[in-house]
Amino acid sequence: EVQLVESGGGLVQPGGSLRLACAASGFTVKSHFMSWVRQAPGKGLEWVSAIYTSDNEFYADSVKGRFTISRDNSNNTVYLQLNSLRAEDTAAYFCARISSTGWTPLGYFDLWGRGSLVTVSS
Amino acid sequence: DIVMTQSPDSLAMSLGERATINCKSSRSLFYNSNNKNYLAWYQQKPGQSPKLLIYWASTRESGVPDRFTGSGSGTDFTLTINNLQAGDVAVYYCQQYYTTPWTFGQGTRLEIE
Repeated sequence: EVQLVESGGGLVQPGGSLRLACAASGFTVKSHFMSWVRQAPGKGLEWVSAIYTSDNEFYADSVKGRFTISRDNSNNTVYLQLNSLRAEDTAAYFCARISSTGWTPLGYFDLWGRGSLVTVSS
Repeated sequence: DIVMTQSPDSLAMSLGERATINCKSSRSLFYNSNNKNYLAWYQQKPGQSPKLLIYWASTRESGVPDRFTGSGSGTDFTLTINNLQAGDVAVYYCQQYYTTPWTFGQGTRLEIE
């Protein structure tokens, strides 16, 4: 079955760090463009980060310099390292696959995980 | 950044009716070189992750019922849901993928009366 399963969320104090993992099954992350999208409680969707098959990384301005996306092809897993966390980073973090044609990412998300909740609070 | 604005914020309809959700972008999402609009629609049911419904503004994702129709071009787009069913209760989001950062509309909550 093609799916994404996130893990690693939890409660962390402001200024703290957390690493989210997104385990893929049914396809290989090394051959796809992957992304993280977050949703604050009761709010809308916000794109956070993406990693391309070329290993190029992209970030929203709101997280640039604090978050890092990476990929472990041997474990078929995508990660998001969250550093210097702030209260406004509190959200459910969804891993999502970016649809593509050949080696070109298209930018819409055709597969989503169930999300991992990150709460930043003292 | 491209700003996506949806209207209305919420709507309540009856079973069997037609719902119309609008999405307006702050700049054109039409790419002349391939004649495509870089606009997608998602459905997020309560307690679930978003699900892709429509891409290229009007192409239905595999498995999506034909009651869901996307239309529009340039800066103005519409998601139409015909013959509303109880299972359509959800928040619907539009998203532009014309350029990064990819951005979403604020969402439209659909309820059944």
